[in-house]
Amino acid sequence: DAGVIQSPRHEVTEMGQEVTLRCKPISGHDYLFWYRQTMMRGLELLIYFNNNVPIDDSGMPEDRFSAKMPNASFSTLKIQPSEPRDSAVYFCATRLEGAGTGELFFGEGSRLTVL
Amino acid sequence: LAKTTQPISMDSYEGQEVNITCSHNNIATNDYITWYQQFPSQGPRFIIQGYKTKVTNEVASLFIPADRKSSTLSLPRVSLSDTAVYYCLVGDKGRGSTLGRLYFGRGTQLTVWP
Repeated sequence: DAGVIQSPRHEVTEMGQEVTLRCKPISGHDYLFWYRQTMMRGLELLIYFNNNVPIDDSGMPEDRFSAKMPNASFSTLKIQPSEPRDSAVYFCATRLEGAGTGELFFGEGSRLTVL
Repeated sequence: LAKTTQPISMDSYEGQEVNITCSHNNIATNDYITWYQQFPSQGPRFIIQGYKTKVTNEVASLFIPADRKSSTLSLPRVSLSDTAVYYCLVGDKGRGSTLGRLYFGRGTQLTVWP
């Protein structure tokens, strides 16, 4: 398996533009998480899905952020409109409930810079 | 919420043993302690997990006292390539209902010097 695949790896955009980050989970994993990482706050959980259904979105900072998982093999995190303070690395992670240690498998992240 | 507390940073030299301690005073009965490692420009990756006493694998050892309110990740004879951020997490590994409690935070930045 290729692991968790995220795109784009890097994105530079201007304030006010719409940003869409994409994630392809490991096949068969039933949980998908979106995290945001900054120097100040570290790695924060934004939202997670179980079997494509959003379970907890309490970490989503504002209404400008939205996430969807239309099927088991694809998820998006959208920011509209984007602001400079949204600049961060966004990670997608997946796991399989009940399997061994329950470890999270992370993608390589999408580094977002909003000018 | 089983939040964890760990040092922001640590320094060491090659060949030394490094011990990183994590406090988790509110750990629940079903919670496991899991450590992740993150290299620059990569996502975190799992390194070790334990419930009580001691766990050892090819990468590290994890020491957990009887009260489970803290844990210590031990890295034997570190090298430059062990420079990374280390995260301590507490949560139930099997039940989805507790997944929202997983807290990464800022972790511990370990820097290994030659």
